[in-house]
Amino acid sequence: GAGVSQSPRYKVAKRGQDVALRCDPISGHVSLFWYQQALGQGPEFLTYFQNEAQLDKSGLPSDRFFAERPEGSVSTLKIQRTQQEDSAVYLCASSRTRIGSGNTIYFGEGSWLTVV
Amino acid sequence: GQNIDQPTEMTATEGAIVQINCTYQTSGFNGLFWYQQHAGEAPTFLSYNVLDGLEEKGRFSSFLSRSKGYSYLLLKELQMKDSASYHCAVRPYNQGGKLIFGQGTELSVKP
Repeated sequence: GAGVSQSPRYKVAKRGQDVALRCDPISGHVSLFWYQQALGQGPEFLTYFQNEAQLDKSGLPSDRFFAERPEGSVSTLKIQRTQQEDSAVYLCASSRTRIGSGNTIYFGEGSWLTVV
Repeated sequence: GQNIDQPTEMTATEGAIVQINCTYQTSGFNGLFWYQQHAGEAPTFLSYNVLDGLEEKGRFSSFLSRSKGYSYLLLKELQMKDSASYHCAVRPYNQGGKLIFGQGTELSVKP
């Protein structure tokens, strides 16, 4: 596709509900990242995939957060038993190759999650 | 670890020049990036520095001093559409390419 596409754009979840956020990276991009962005803050790293391999999940805040990219393209971020502190924008980003030098990371517009 | 500091807010006048500073502390990094983010939109890439010096791209320039742990983004001939958040981000060495972002600087351009 022309850019990184995320869905849903907006999600309101009741506390305790499970949610799944989808990311469709730019076609052919090898690297895929998930970030969490709270209001007025910079994006915070959650996890990173190279093709289907999840190489870094050090930023996932708890075991309620799970991400997958089974075929090396589309990725899903799943949040189980959502809590109010999970309310944030979840940004997906992709990059053309393994990160070497100067590879630009392209962001999607994000999925806005509100937990009530 | 990384510690990235930027001013929270800045205000400037249309047509003027503004410099947004970023200081960082990191054990090693492979590039410093600047991103622009309009409210409700995706961050968009502005610039990338890996060596010391100035990178110029139209109205925007970015400077890096690795020895001082310092970067700035310079915006010239400000336009109203430049009102946005500007994020400084470092790419730690040998960590798969993830970016570590500062909190962002909210720039307001006034007529």
